[in-house]
Amino acid sequence: QSALTQPPSASGSPGQSVTISCTGSSSDVGSNNYVSWYQQHPGKVPKLMIYEVSKRPSGVPDRFSGSKSGNTASLTVSGLQAEDEADYYCSSHAGSSNAYVIFGGGTKLTVL
Amino acid sequence: QLQLQESGPGLVKPSETLSLTCTVSGGSISSSNYYWGWIRQPPGKGLEWIGSISYSGSTFYKPSLKSRVTISIDRSKNQFSLKLSSVTAADTAVYYCAREYSSSPYEWGQGTLVTVAS
Repeated sequence: QSALTQPPSASGSPGQSVTISCTGSSSDVGSNNYVSWYQQHPGKVPKLMIYEVSKRPSGVPDRFSGSKSGNTASLTVSGLQAEDEADYYCSSHAGSSNAYVIFGGGTKLTVL
Repeated sequence: QLQLQESGPGLVKPSETLSLTCTVSGGSISSSNYYWGWIRQPPGKGLEWIGSISYSGSTFYKPSLKSRVTISIDRSKNQFSLKLSSVTAADTAVYYCAREYSSSPYEWGQGTLVTVAS
């Protein structure tokens, strides 16, 4: 039950696209489609941006998209804007009979 | 609009039990579509899922915390609660309650800082 692996940092210029990876194992990311992504600004409550790999909650801009291949999930932010600068966390359903949720360590996204 | 609010002591002594309650408003805790969970975040660190409970009382816990965690639900008060026993300084964190959907904490409370210190 180690945390999912995310790069500690990512960056891009306004208008560009950036992709953040989230690597797990066949026991979590690779075994189901319950991968989510959260955005957290400093001192703020995390906000769900993507759930079930690629679905966006109401109100989340379509600049945010999610995908998954094997044991690695990805979050892509297109058309970067200054307000996208934040920490991003992935999570995944894990386990079977004793199901639980596991988070990634987080990625600091900097808009240059 | 669903709202969740954590409440409980902000300071707990080492070896004692941390107890928090989440009060849900703007929706029923008895909905079968959702789970109700707890997540924590140590200062300056990442998110850690603690566990969740269904409306019927089925519980799921992070394996490494399972021996110390109890989550319960009180449908009459539209509340659910967290108890974490034998706390140490490593349990100091902002504790969030959340409504979960598809294994995702979907709506979150504002969080409450719990410090473990003597």
